[in-house]
Amino acid sequence: QSALTQPRSVSGSPGQSVTISCTGTSSDVGGYNHVSWYQQHPGKAPKLMIYDVSKRPSGVPDRFSGSKSGNTASLTISGLQAEDEADYYCCSYAGGRWLFGTGTKVTVL
Amino acid sequence: EVQLVESGGGLVQPGGSLRLSCAASGFTFSSYSMVWVRQAPGKGLEWVSYISSSSSTIYYADSVKGRFTISRDNAKNSLYLQMNSLRDEDTAVYYCGRRDGYNSFDYWGQGTLVTVSS
Repeated sequence: QSALTQPRSVSGSPGQSVTISCTGTSSDVGGYNHVSWYQQHPGKAPKLMIYDVSKRPSGVPDRFSGSKSGNTASLTISGLQAEDEADYYCCSYAGGRWLFGTGTKVTVL
Repeated sequence: EVQLVESGGGLVQPGGSLRLSCAASGFTFSSYSMVWVRQAPGKGLEWVSYISSSSSTIYYADSVKGRFTISRDNAKNSLYLQMNSLRDEDTAVYYCGRRDGYNSFDYWGQGTLVTVSS
């Protein structure tokens, strides 16, 4: 029972786009369309940004988008803004359990 | 407004026990499944346990199975986590979360810190 693999960090300048990958297996990411993404600012609780691979909850800017191909899911932040600097975690349902990713720190240069 | 407020964290010795609570408000608690997720200091998120709305289905992560027990009281709008045989590696901030209808977690509490240390 191990975590999904994410890059440790990604960075971009304001207005640019960044993409975070989340790699699992056919038993989790590849087997279910229940991949979600969470944003976490330091000292704060996680916030749901994307659910069911590509759906955005009400109130989440459309700069955030999600996709999946095979065993890898991705989160793209377009038009990067200063407030997007945070840690991001993917999460996949895996049949009676959930697996989180290792986390990615997004830095806005 | 949906609110989840955890309590019960603190310092406990290895081998000890602690019971966490999560008070829910702003939604029909009895209609939602709930989870506990933890985060060790400086580390990532780890799903701990799940309980369905009627308590009929319960899941645990392998790391806590046999030591932790999740429960809920729908009359009191409360979620619980009984933690026994605590280990150093259980040190973390523990969050309660609401599972939406899509196997994701749409609301989270602010977390409660559990420190296991002698």
